[in-house]
Amino acid sequence: DADVTQTPRNRITKTGKRIMLECSQTKGHDRMYWYRQDPGLGLRLIYYSFDVKDINKGEISDGYSVSRQAQAKFSLSLESAIPNQTALYFCATSDFKGFEQYFGPGTRLTVT
Amino acid sequence: QKEVEQDPGPLSVPEGAIVSLNCTYSNSAFQYFMWYRQYSRKGPELLMYTYSSGNKEDGRFTAQVDKSSKYISLFIRDSQPSDSATYLCAMSLDKIIFGKGTRLHILP
Repeated sequence: DADVTQTPRNRITKTGKRIMLECSQTKGHDRMYWYRQDPGLGLRLIYYSFDVKDINKGEISDGYSVSRQAQAKFSLSLESAIPNQTALYFCATSDFKGFEQYFGPGTRLTVT
Repeated sequence: QKEVEQDPGPLSVPEGAIVSLNCTYSNSAFQYFMWYRQYSRKGPELLMYTYSSGNKEDGRFTAQVDKSSKYISLFIRDSQPSDSATYLCAMSLDKIIFGKGTRLHILP
């Protein structure tokens, strides 16, 4: 089984809808991250969490929120989706060192 | 000036050639320097990392860091079609800053 799983893998939604992307990990890591990847813009950090009670904004947090339900679970929500949130979303985990991150398979989100 | 600059390519080379991938950066405080590889429709995976300056070799891959020039490189020897992927450089302080990635095609 994969160490980092993401659901759903693909999602098409309409402008204004609320959507949640979920991430689970079996690595036993405390640190979890959400990134989005866009062509020409690379990977950009949305939110990160160093433990269950810690949530931090990343480079592009506007329009997003997160919840760390447990050490192994970290979800990303778009409260009111807009077309420019169409992107590939990745969840990642790491140990305390932080530089070796393990990525999930990604969620391809399309907002129409 | 962006923190990390990486040529997006695409870079196409024949099988067996030596590949050189590069990044420049602006923040002299970075300590860990990484290369991630991302295959199509997959998440990135860590290929190699280097702490501070110097070289590190792993099989056909060599990572170099020149902190005086703020320049890092990844060399791939005897390139194979299976090396075709996007390569992202990354640097770390309290969190990782990724380059935009270079798309590499190895032509059989």
